[in-house]
Amino acid sequence: QVQLVESGGGLVKPGGSLRLSCAASGFTFSDYYMSWIRQAPGKGLEWVSYISSSGSTIYYADSVKGRFTISRDNAKNSLYLQMNSLRAEDTAVYYCARAHEFSFSFDPWGQGTLVTVSS
Amino acid sequence: QSALTQPASVSGSPGQSITISCTGTSSDVGSYNLVSWYQQHPGKAPKLMIYEGSKRPSGVSNRFSGSKSGNTASLTISGLQAEDEADYYCCSYAGSSTFHVVFGGGTKLTVL
Repeated sequence: QVQLVESGGGLVKPGGSLRLSCAASGFTFSDYYMSWIRQAPGKGLEWVSYISSSGSTIYYADSVKGRFTISRDNAKNSLYLQMNSLRAEDTAVYYCARAHEFSFSFDPWGQGTLVTVSS
Repeated sequence: QSALTQPASVSGSPGQSITISCTGTSSDVGSYNLVSWYQQHPGKAPKLMIYEGSKRPSGVSNRFSGSKSGNTASLTISGLQAEDEADYYCCSYAGSSTFHVVFGGGTKLTVL
């Protein structure tokens, strides 16, 4: 079955860096766009970034532009999010999700990994 | 871009129908038939319930339906069941000059 498993979350100090990974299985990863979406504790969902199937097209939310970098390795069926210059407001559960190219919907989602930015 | 506007909470009794609204602007909901809806139970990942405004993914109950009028999208759940109690989020493509996806603030559905 289609499965997405995130890893790499944890506690990091403001200004620090963290790299999240998402391992995909059960589908042809290289055929699909992918996204990162986050949810601050007790808050709603916020789209973070989007990458095309080949990795040639990438978009970011204004809130993370210039600090976060999305990438993928189709040979390893893996999605990544490099997060630099982290701020307290980046504290959230980060979900990876398979993105549908033309409907801009997300299905399925991984279970999420918690990133806490605190001194 | 601002988040889409949803009511904070709605409630209904088992067997009843409820509707959750999602109000955007002419730059997002009003311009594209690209609204999706997600169900999230506590501590769980969101699940896609509706895409492209009114289409249901395989496996989603036909008790869930979506529609749109102008800048407002709606999710209707008929024949409410206890298991429907969850948070619901709408989402819309909000492109034009730059790629963007915007979510609503979420609606807590309580089944009385």
